[in-house]
Amino acid sequence: SQKIEQNSEALNIQEGKTATLTCNYTNYSPAYLQWYRQDPGRGPVFLLLIRENEKEKRKERLKVTFDTTLKQSLFHITASQPADSATYLCALPGAGDDKIIFGKGTRLHILP
Amino acid sequence: DGGITQSPKYLFRKEGQNVTLSCEQNLNHDAMYWYRQDPGQGLRLIYYSQIVNDFQKGDIAEGYSVSREKKESFPLTVTSAQKNPTAFYLCATSLQGPPAEQYFGPGTRLTVT
Repeated sequence: SQKIEQNSEALNIQEGKTATLTCNYTNYSPAYLQWYRQDPGRGPVFLLLIRENEKEKRKERLKVTFDTTLKQSLFHITASQPADSATYLCALPGAGDDKIIFGKGTRLHILP
Repeated sequence: DGGITQSPKYLFRKEGQNVTLSCEQNLNHDAMYWYRQDPGQGLRLIYYSQIVNDFQKGDIAEGYSVSREKKESFPLTVTSAQKNPTAFYLCATSLQGPPAEQYFGPGTRLTVT
């Protein structure tokens, strides 16, 4: 069955450095991948969508890559700030393509 | 949170009681979704609706029911048949179905004792 894997361990990064989060998937070839940010006790907020024919997508300090050979997406935050601390979720299309499936998320801590 | 309202934010119920969680949107979005999130877990899809008067089961629909009589509203009922109802429930909408981005409400934290 389709499986999405994100690092379950929290990631601690020093302020100003680049944070890199990983999303791996198995058992299918998604046409796109989405990234969301979730703060504690709140609903996720959409950040970026990348399609299978796009190698890289950027938005301000965010960069997402999509390697369909490795079945992996990398999410980068450059010049990280304490306000970037949150849980980041990746999401891929579910069976039937009328829904998406979320990974469990990676908690990111940016240390001042 | 935008134009999505979930109420109440916290809800307490006794075991064996049905409870209905509200989700209202003024974004004029066609698609609406209900997710459940448990501590340390990702979001799991309960039910979704792409259009009024139509909805489909998600991955964990057992013990839940929904209705979509109006475009703006997609209430979720947690029935007594749901074995572990205590969780954080999130409603989401999107302009269309995937890959359209989803907008989430603030969530309802349900505690059943």
